[in-house]
Amino acid sequence: ILNVEQSPQSLHVQEGDSTNFTCSFPSSNFYALHWYRWETAKSPEALFVMTLNGDEKKKGRISATLNTKEGYSYLYIKGSQPEDSATYLCAFTGSARQLTFGSGTQLTVLP
Amino acid sequence: SQTIHQWPATLVQPVGSPLSLECTVEGTSNPNLYWYRQAAGRGLQLLFYSVGIGQISSEVPQNLSASRPQDRQFILSSKKLLLSDSGFYLCAWSGSGFSTDTQYFGPGTRLTVL
Repeated sequence: ILNVEQSPQSLHVQEGDSTNFTCSFPSSNFYALHWYRWETAKSPEALFVMTLNGDEKKKGRISATLNTKEGYSYLYIKGSQPEDSATYLCAFTGSARQLTFGSGTQLTVLP
Repeated sequence: SQTIHQWPATLVQPVGSPLSLECTVEGTSNPNLYWYRQAAGRGLQLLFYSVGIGQISSEVPQNLSASRPQDRQFILSSKKLLLSDSGFYLCAWSGSGFSTDTQYFGPGTRLTVL
């Protein structure tokens, strides 16, 4: 059974604060790491797919880094806005080629 | 453009009753299709995936089954629901089975078994 852990489980930040959270995954048989954003009453939406150790991806104020050797990825949000409030999911793809999701980090940005 | 539909949006069913959730995809052909469940306080768990008509792979032993009668139709079923089947069910599709392929999710079905 693959273990994909996300921390923290939830956090509240003030508008304008920068924040980051962690996804830990098995460092062996790594194929890809996905980040999704899941807003309330909407479908999960893909943010990034990362495959190479040291990979960095950026989309507006959101960026992510990847360390496949130690098995972790960070997601950063710069200058959080209320519309960033959502659950952020990471998903690991190993040799089985199926996504194994973490339980998510629920972010609330307070105005 | 591609769209994915799921219905119903919400469902309340008694224990022991049957279940049928439907998912259809438009705007693409021969997609990979997936059923996920999110139980309360837990992450998304892959239940079934399909690479083609009539081809179903089950990821976890359970009370549920899946079928793919047409290329862009994926159905999740149960003959007798259990309380533990309650949760949020998401259907997803991808263009292939590659590890880097993005999965696109439907709006989901909230199932409550009483």
